[in-house]
Amino acid sequence: QVQLQESGPGLVKPSQTLSLTCAVSGGSISSGSYFWSWIRQPAGKGLEWIGRIYISGSTDYNPSLKSRVTISLDTSKNQFSLKLSSVTAADTAVYYCARTHLGALEIDYWGQGTLVTVSS
Amino acid sequence: DIVMTQTPLSSPVTLGQPASISCRSSQSLVHSDGNTYLSWLQQRPGQPPRLLIYKISNRFSGVPDRFSGSGAGTDFTLKISRVEAEDVGVYHCMQATQFPYTFGQGTKLEIK
Repeated sequence: QVQLQESGPGLVKPSQTLSLTCAVSGGSISSGSYFWSWIRQPAGKGLEWIGRIYISGSTDYNPSLKSRVTISLDTSKNQFSLKLSSVTAADTAVYYCARTHLGALEIDYWGQGTLVTVSS
Repeated sequence: DIVMTQTPLSSPVTLGQPASISCRSSQSLVHSDGNTYLSWLQQRPGQPPRLLIYKISNRFSGVPDRFSGSGAGTDFTLKISRVEAEDVGVYHCMQATQFPYTFGQGTKLEIK
């Protein structure tokens, strides 16, 4: 069974860049059957889809974040990454990495999530 | 963006009784390929979301058959035939028909 694990700094200063990595085990990110996605959830609030990447390198981002987001793949390490620039307190949230099935577009496996706090 | 509206936002249920959650989208979720990409997720306290149902009514691997999904177009429902203690948590609907994917506000299921 595939497992995903987020890692990265838990505290980021305002105006800096948030960087997270998602390590995938039990499956290859080079599989053409999946997208690799990031979703976030502010405390006590709903889920917000950030974006996704396919093995081809093709990406789709939420327009509300598009100017600040970059998602990339590292097939040699079987991991993918999120960068979010110019962060503010509004970017404080639990960040999840997840796998999206190509066929039915369901998000079938999620990481445990990592809390990122934006504060000086 | 497609707005997903769930009702109720909180649902107290007696163990062994049924529960139902509604999800309404601001526009049709029928994709140009004919599919409807509506999923339901369960989020237990302190846990990440877990996929229950995809494409309206397909149960994901390992999901008990007391969970079922139905609906079409803009109106969808998740039903639990007999609520068990482990079903406590927040339930989210999600659409993947149109970018950006969007989620409902979440419905908190709790035991009376």
